[in-house]
Amino acid sequence: GNSVTQMEGPVTLSEEAFLTINCTYTATGYPSLFWYVQYPGEGLQLLLKATKADDKGSNKGFEATYRKETTSFHLEKGSVQVSDSAVYFCALRLIQGAQKLVFGQGTRLTINP
Amino acid sequence: NAGVTQTPKFRILKIGQSMTLQCAQDMNHNYMYWYRQDPGMGLKLIYYSVGAGITDKGEVPNGYNVSRSTTEDFPLRLELAAPSQTSVYFCASSYLRAGANTGELFFGEGSRLTVL
Repeated sequence: GNSVTQMEGPVTLSEEAFLTINCTYTATGYPSLFWYVQYPGEGLQLLLKATKADDKGSNKGFEATYRKETTSFHLEKGSVQVSDSAVYFCALRLIQGAQKLVFGQGTRLTINP
Repeated sequence: NAGVTQTPKFRILKIGQSMTLQCAQDMNHNYMYWYRQDPGMGLKLIYYSVGAGITDKGEVPNGYNVSRSTTEDFPLRLELAAPSQTSVYFCASSYLRAGANTGELFFGEGSRLTVL
């Protein structure tokens, strides 16, 4: 089946630290990949996406590269800020069929000043 | 621009009670979805709709019903509430057509439901 696995949380870092949140997927076909972010008390919102192998999605200093050979889409940021504290969800969408997303379990990130 | 609006934000139900979670979007999106979010489990798709009058089951539809009489509204009905339905529920919408398929879903702020 189709699934997404994220690194276990919670993750706690100091401000300006380097961030990596691992995400791997299992899918039939060639999915599009996404990172969504959920700030406290809010719904999820799209952070970045990649639609084919070797694409790099980027937004707000975050980056992720679609690696087909390792079936991965790791999220990185060079210098995190307190305002990056949130829950991050990796997700995939199959090209076929309805526009349904399969989400990972989420990783809670806390940045301390 | 309101986006996706969910009501209520919080609700406590007794076992066996019924209720409806309301969801409305003002972006003229054709697709709408209901997800539930359980701690450490990510989001699971309950039901989705590809347009007015058309609905389909997701991964975890048991115990829920939906309807889509208009483009804007997509209510989720719980008929006989059970403790296993304690969760945070998110409604989302997206726009899908040939050549404009971004994959982006727009989410409401969520409805926290507790069944005791």
